[in-house]
Amino acid sequence: SAVISQKPSRDICQRGTSLTIQCQVDSQVTMMFWYRQQPGQSLTLIATANQGSEATYESGFVIDKFPISRPNLTFSTLTVSNMSPEDSSIYLCSVDREPNTETQYFGPGTRLLVL
Amino acid sequence: GNSVTQMEGPVTLSEEAFLTINCTYTATGYPSLFWYVQYPGEGLQLLLKATKADDKGSNKGFEATYRKETTSFHLEKGSVQVSDSAVYFCALRGGSNYKLTFGKGTLLTVNP
Repeated sequence: SAVISQKPSRDICQRGTSLTIQCQVDSQVTMMFWYRQQPGQSLTLIATANQGSEATYESGFVIDKFPISRPNLTFSTLTVSNMSPEDSSIYLCSVDREPNTETQYFGPGTRLLVL
Repeated sequence: GNSVTQMEGPVTLSEEAFLTINCTYTATGYPSLFWYVQYPGEGLQLLLKATKADDKGSNKGFEATYRKETTSFHLEKGSVQVSDSAVYFCALRGGSNYKLTFGKGTLLTVNP
């Protein structure tokens, strides 16, 4: 399985500010995914990030609110912009580590609380 | 589109009890099926998976069989432990869609 780390592991932020979350993988991967898990809820896919191309966003998520970078095959960032309390969630990155197995591995998540 | 319907919780059991968490799915094509587990304060971990009909995934005493005829992937364990207390997510991927689709999750609490 992939070793995936995220920074920060948790943060408390003020309304109107932005936070950038980092995701680092221990090997090169083609596809990286960003999910949001609101309190007591399941996971919702925010976007898919491929190296060298623009991220693909799911319905209800836009680049201005959640800009994503994917500078290389082992790293990605997600920024939560102009935060409000409704953005309080766990944000998780995941990767396809094993080609053709359809198995995604997840990072430990970033717990964000917006006051 | 793809969807996963998962037994609603919470589920509370005594240690050594038998566990079943039901999961049914809707998908076009032939998806792969997964159970993920989220322990308190942690991220998601892959618990087990099955990639084709009649496959049985197993790990840590948990089992689930891919039943195409009933479009189900129920999670079972013969004797749960307190350390199994977590949220369990059923998920599918593939068929006509590469995205991972999750159920709503089932909170399991095991009491000593």
